Amino acid sequence: QKEVEQNSGPLSVPEGAIASLNCTYSDRGSQSFFWYRQYSGKSPELIMSIYSNGDKEDGRFTAQLNKASQYVSLLIRDSQPSDSATYLCAVIGGGADGLTFGKGTHLIIQP
Amino acid sequence: DTEVTQTPKHLVMGMTNKKSLKCEQHMGHRAMYWYKQKAKKPPELMFVYSYEKLSINESVPSRFSPECPNSSLLNLHLHALQPEDSALYLCASSQDWDSYNEQFFGPGTRLTVL
Repeated sequence: QKEVEQNSGPLSVPEGAIASLNCTYSDRGSQSFFWYRQYSGKSPELIMSIYSNGDKEDGRFTAQLNKASQYVSLLIRDSQPSDSATYLCAVIGGGADGLTFGKGTHLIIQP
Repeated sequence: DTEVTQTPKHLVMGMTNKKSLKCEQHMGHRAMYWYKQKAKKPPELMFVYSYEKLSINESVPSRFSPECPNSSLLNLHLHALQPEDSALYLCASSQDWDSYNEQFFGPGTRLTVL
């Protein structure tokens, strides 16, 4: 049974600070890792994908992957109130499969 | 066009009704997915279609019947649903069906079963 664990929060961060979101996964054979942002009542929106160990940066977002520790994180720099949402970590195991999601972290950016 | 579209946006149906959800993408993607999301829960995979063939059925009850008429369209036929089937139904697509393809979601259909 593949499991993806996230702290459900809420995680409260002041505007302009760095928000740090974490995720662990159980399937050591997992190959692909994604972060989705979901606003209340809306569908998930892909913000980052990462496939190899290390950091991947895209604008204010940085994804970090450590396969040895089975750990994925997302950093949001210069946090804005519009970043307030639920952030879903998602994993695809080895081979073809659908996404397995964590329960999501509710992020609140305080003005 | 980088969108996945879904119709209808909202659907209310009785337990004896038959209805269909529709999903369309024009990105040339060869894999399409149905997910179900209950309130305050993450999405859960229901079905995967790859090159118009059903590749994964996650033990979904037969009252949900998927169909892929062509590479751009995905339907979900609903019959004799239960109130606990009320949820947000999400369609997604990806370039291909393997680990390295990003999945893009449509806006979803919010289903209420009375």
